[in-house]
Amino acid sequence: AQSVTQLGSHVSVSEGALVLLRCNYSSSVPPYLFWYVQYPNQGLQLLLKYTTGATLVKGINGFEAEFKKSETSFHLTKPSAHMSDAAEYFCAVSDATGGFKTIFGAGTRLFVKA
Amino acid sequence: EAGVAQSPRYKIIEKRQSVAFWCNPISGHATLYWYQQILGQGPKLLIQFQNNGVVDDSQLPKDRFSAERLKGVDSTLKIQPAKLEDSAVYLCASSLGTGGLNEQFFGPGTRLTVL
Repeated sequence: AQSVTQLGSHVSVSEGALVLLRCNYSSSVPPYLFWYVQYPNQGLQLLLKYTTGATLVKGINGFEAEFKKSETSFHLTKPSAHMSDAAEYFCAVSDATGGFKTIFGAGTRLFVKA
Repeated sequence: EAGVAQSPRYKIIEKRQSVAFWCNPISGHATLYWYQQILGQGPKLLIQFQNNGVVDDSQLPKDRFSAERLKGVDSTLKIQPAKLEDSAVYLCASSLGTGGLNEQFFGPGTRLTVL
């Protein structure tokens, strides 16, 4: 069965610093991988997704993620954090064995310090 | 383009009471999802509809939860009777179709508190 592990329930960075949010997945077949962002009192919004092809995926708001099959990882990065990036971020996996049901990680809350 | 609408946004009830949530998906989206998001956890799929048929309800506690999408458009999720552990945010999402490539669009959620 698929699963997602997000390392660190809280991450704090200074404005302008690198953002790195870690995600490891478990899937017995090629997965689809997603990062969603959730701002306070709002629903989830898709940041980026990996399906097939290029392993480095670029998303909205300057975020990108790299699919590393050998490490079963899909870490999210942004070179320079903005105050507006403060939110909760969810990694998710979906594959054919699970009927393409989306399985979410527990989330990582990103704090950005001025 | 209007997003996914949900109401109410907040609801407080006592245990053993019943409650209903409403969702209106994006126009033209055939697939509708209800998720439960408990504090500190990621969303968990409760039920998925394709038009007005159920695709997956394997994680829906059917002894107390029910959902319908009678005309293949809007949907209601009901809990009867509620338990303390049902306190959570209930998220509705919709997508054009099923399958992993279809982006899900989420509503703002309904925050349920059971006292």
